[in-house]
This record gives sequence, C-alpha cells and structure tokens, in this order.
Amino acid sequence: KNEVEQSPQNLTAQEGEFITINCSYSVGISALHWLQQHPGGGIVSLFMLSSGKKKHGRLIATINIQEKHSSLHITASHPRDSAVYICAVRSGSLAHGQNFVFGPGTRLSVLP
Amino acid sequence: DVKVTQSSRYLVKRTGEKVFLECVQDMDHENMFWYRQDPGLGLRLIYFSYDVKMKEKGDIPEGYSVSREKKERFSLILESASTNQTSMYLCASSFYHLAGGNSYEQYFGPGTRLTVT
Repeated sequence: KNEVEQSPQNLTAQEGEFITINCSYSVGISALHWLQQHPGGGIVSLFMLSSGKKKHGRLIATINIQEKHSSLHITASHPRDSAVYICAVRSGSLAHGQNFVFGPGTRLSVLP
Repeated sequence: DVKVTQSSRYLVKRTGEKVFLECVQDMDHENMFWYRQDPGLGLRLIYFSYDVKMKEKGDIPEGYSVSREKKERFSLILESASTNQTSMYLCASSFYHLAGGNSYEQYFGPGTRLTVT
C-alpha cells in the first residue's frame, strides 16, 4: 500500500464545474503540500497546510489530521486549470533531509 | 521570487555516457533535492543535500551520484547512463529549519527530460 494515495487518478470536467481531488496518507505528518504540474514539467507549490483550511483565489485546500485526509477544491474550473495535481506529505521526522512522500498525482482536464 | 534553474530542458544521451544534470537556486537555500518522475510512479527522491559537500541517499540512489561544491549548485551525475534512466528529472530546494516545524516549502525547477538511447 502506498503511503500517499490520491483519487481520482484522472478527472475530466466541463468548464465551470466544481472539482474535488482527494489525498489520503498513512504516515504521521507535519505538513501536507498540494502541487500543480503543468504540461512540460514545471511544478508550482499551491498550498502548504498542517491543519484546517486554506483558500487562494478559486482554490481551497482542507486537511483532517485525525482522518489523515486532505482535499483540494477548484471552484469555477477553467481550461487553464488542466494539469496534474500532486499531494505530498512531509513526515514528522526532524531528519535533515526533510524529504517528502509524493502521491501519484491526479490528471485534470477541463474542457471548454 | 525564488528561482530554481536546471541546465537543460531536454537531453538525449547514449547508453554508457556520463551525464551531468545541473541545478542552481538563487535563494541561499540549505536543502536541495533531485527527483525523478515516471508515469504511474510519481516523484521519487534520488538524493538530497542539506549543506555544501553533504549528501544523503533518497529512495532510489542506485546508478546516480551527486555533487554539492557550492551552496547554490547541486549536480546529479549518471556515471554510465542506461535506458532505464530515461525519465523526467526535477530539482528542488528549500530552507532548512532547525526546529522542523511546518513552515517551509520546496521550490521546483522546470525539469529536464532525459532520454537515453
């Protein structure tokens, strides 16, 4: 079983739809990140959160530490939102590396 | 704005060649990372470095080595490239927080798509 799982794996939506991408993890974490990877490879960090909810523009991210679950929501989706969305968790270890465990990604296509 | 740059966007090499992938960051970050990304497998950590001349193996270090002679530069080396090293390679950097905590982010470069033939 992977330590970080995402669902769905692929998602196609019509422009304007409300979108939810889910992430569940099995390790103790100190932070969870949502990343966006555009075609061509560039990765942008969208959110970093350890509790509650954050909002940035049309994006909302929530996390439930007890349930080890996070969701990324996109309101009023647009074709330019088409990308791969990656959930990444950082374990509670204070090891130097501070490395992440990444989910497999959710490929989102928003059709006009 | 943090900037992480990688030396090439696309690279084609032959089996057995020695390959250097360079990564440079301009924000004085202590930590630097090399990942590879393959379809269905997500991002996997190859090596990371938390200081000059310091390196730690990640999840898949076999077939790779790294060099960090200067704080801003982290190089990934494929000593003898093989076809199973065809992949997208991503570099990232972040600050190091002594207390751990949860207030830092990783900043990614644009990626290098390496094809080994």
